[in-house]
Amino acid sequence: DAGVIQSPRHEVTEMGQEVTLRCKPISGHDYLFWYRQTMMRGLELLIYFNNNVPIDDSGMPEDRFSAKMPNASFSTLKIQPSEPRDSAVYFCASSSAGAVDQPQHFGDGTRLSIL
Amino acid sequence: GDSVTQMEGPVTLSEEAFLTINCTYTATGYPSLFWYVQYPGEGLQLLLKATKADDKGSNKGFEATYRKETTSFHLEKGSVQVSDSAVYFCALSDRQVTGGGNKLTFGTGTQLKVEL
Repeated sequence: DAGVIQSPRHEVTEMGQEVTLRCKPISGHDYLFWYRQTMMRGLELLIYFNNNVPIDDSGMPEDRFSAKMPNASFSTLKIQPSEPRDSAVYFCASSSAGAVDQPQHFGDGTRLSIL
Repeated sequence: GDSVTQMEGPVTLSEEAFLTINCTYTATGYPSLFWYVQYPGEGLQLLLKATKADDKGSNKGFEATYRKETTSFHLEKGSVQVSDSAVYFCALSDRQVTGGGNKLTFGTGTQLKVEL
C-alpha cells in the first residue's frame, strides 16, 4: 500500500519566492497534519485537518504560511514570501479517525532551503 | 496542557549494550502513549504503543510499559545493533482533549548512536 507521499523531496529557492509543498495522505485517512522539523526547535505541529477542514492552525508561524486541503487526497502548504529562517524539513502525516491510539503515518518530508 | 519530557541525547552505546531512553508525561486526561523512530533522511515511523496502564508495547526487540503511577513510558532494548541508530520520539495522544482527535504531543527526541 502507498504511504503518505510528499513532493518535492528537496526544494532550494531564493528568499522572497513562493514555495508550495504538496502531500497526498493515505487513502481513507480522515486526519492530515503538517509538521516542521529543525535542529533548534525540534518537531513542531503547524496545522491539522479533519475531513478536509482545518481544526487547529495555532502552530502556523505567521501569515506568510497558509495550508489548504481541497479534497481528501491532497493538501498544500504554501509560504509566501519565503525567508531563510523557513529552512527546515516539512513533514506531512495522516491518520484514521476513531480511537485516539490510531498512529500517524508520516511521509519522508520535504527538505526546504531558502537562500 | 499536555507535555512529554525525554532524556537528552545523543546516547552513544556499543553494539549489544542495553538501552534505556527515559520518557515522562503530563496529561489532563488518560492518554495513549507512543514511541516513534526516525532514521536518517526519513519520516517518523511508529515503533510501539500502549493505550492503558500496565500495557506493554513491543516491536523489533524494543519494549515500553505504560506506568500510570510514575507517568512514565521508558523505552528499553536488551541488545542494540548498529542498525538501531536513529532518533527516538516519545509521544502521547490525549483522548480527553475535546476535538483533539488524533493530535500527538511529541517529546524533543533522543538521538541514539550505536558503534561497533
